[in-house]
Amino acid sequence: GAVVSQHPSWVICKSGTSVKIECRSLDFQATTMFWYRQFPKQSLMLMATSNEGSKATYEQGVEKDKFLINHASLTLSTLTVTSAHPEDSSFYICSAVGRANTGELFFGEGSRLTVL
Amino acid sequence: DQQVKQNSPSLSVQEGRISILNCDYTNSMFDYFLWYKKYPAEGPTFLISISSIKDKNEDGRFTVFLNKSAKHLSLHIVPSQPGDSAVYFCAAGRNYGQNFVFGPGTRLSVLP
Repeated sequence: GAVVSQHPSWVICKSGTSVKIECRSLDFQATTMFWYRQFPKQSLMLMATSNEGSKATYEQGVEKDKFLINHASLTLSTLTVTSAHPEDSSFYICSAVGRANTGELFFGEGSRLTVL
Repeated sequence: DQQVKQNSPSLSVQEGRISILNCDYTNSMFDYFLWYKKYPAEGPTFLISISSIKDKNEDGRFTVFLNKSAKHLSLHIVPSQPGDSAVYFCAAGRNYGQNFVFGPGTRLSVLP
């Protein structure tokens, strides 16, 4: 079946550095991808909607300059956490909608970010 | 009010047998459902998802069943392996592009 892959699955970085997380659709073209963040014991919160070839749409309260999203091709969206701080430590996951649009979402494995 | 419930906090199963983890939700608008697995001291790992256009989705040893009329979904693991021992969370969301609500989790122990 369709597969969405995230990389890296776990990353540890120093405070002040930037971290890039990749989300790839492996066997289908994804016109739309979503980025989520999970808070401890809480819900998976939508951060932004990423559309191929256009600017991402950010949810209220999400800093677009902090969380840079690029969807340059139909198979790749990237989330860059800029100048990361310990409070950015979280679990980030992406999902993708296939171009055939069966109404089905495909999720990546998730990326665990720890900022020291 | 909990929108996503996992009424069994723990479950023990013998290796090789089937594990069935249950999840109930209250919001009939939810139409995407996810299962995650979490080992101690690690982040959650996405396992399998299902949308409301299906009633079953299978991936290897993992199968998720969705009963929309009962607002119930279940995760079947067969055969269960000791490495499956973890906490399993279900999550539900409304339309893609929305937030997902997690259940409280069920701790699965697979006994050798």
